[in-house]
Amino acid sequence: SAVISQKPSRDICQRGTSLTIQCQVDSQVTMMFWYRQQPGQSLTLIATANQGSEATYESGFVIDKFPISRPNLTFSTLTVSNMSPEDSSTYLCSGGIQGGTEAFFGQGTRLTVV
Amino acid sequence: QQPVQSPQAVILREGEDAVINCSSSKALYSVHWYRQKHGEAPVFLMILLKGGEQKGHEKISASFNEKKQQSSLYLTASQLSYSGTYFCGTERSGSARQLTFGSGTQLTVLP
Repeated sequence: SAVISQKPSRDICQRGTSLTIQCQVDSQVTMMFWYRQQPGQSLTLIATANQGSEATYESGFVIDKFPISRPNLTFSTLTVSNMSPEDSSTYLCSGGIQGGTEAFFGQGTRLTVV
Repeated sequence: QQPVQSPQAVILREGEDAVINCSSSKALYSVHWYRQKHGEAPVFLMILLKGGEQKGHEKISASFNEKKQQSSLYLTASQLSYSGTYFCGTERSGSARQLTFGSGTQLTVLP
């Protein structure tokens, strides 16, 4: 199994600013993903964080708004840029091992934009 | 495409059983089940792989009908700690746990 440390756990930000969320895994994972969970809703995949290359974004999410980095197999960041109140959500990172069992989740970052 | 999960909510008494269903219109490599309590991260319960392999929680069982692309989660003799929102996550082949989640089932177990 793997443990994912995510920070910050929560933040309140002013509209128009940016927030960078970090995820650190305690072991190497093949893939890392970023999800958004709006209040009372399911998890929606934002993008796959690829090591050393540009992330792969899902429909409705763009790099300019959610730039992602993954410099190595154990670390990734997601930036929420030029925030608006509509960005208020919980953001979660997860990791998976090819051929492994479950996807591991960080504890999430609860973001409120005011 | 998001899998369809049912029911949306269920309330039961401690000791009762419940079944949660998840269906997909796409061919699946695996189905994952998670439970999430309010304000917490999803917790892994079960994975069902194409071909019949299962791994997960000892007290929770599940099935995966590959022909119909449907999975069911069986909660027997429910405990108060089973309360939470249950999500199924479906995985297409070769995606190394890139999951598409259903809308969730809110389960409440009363004493």
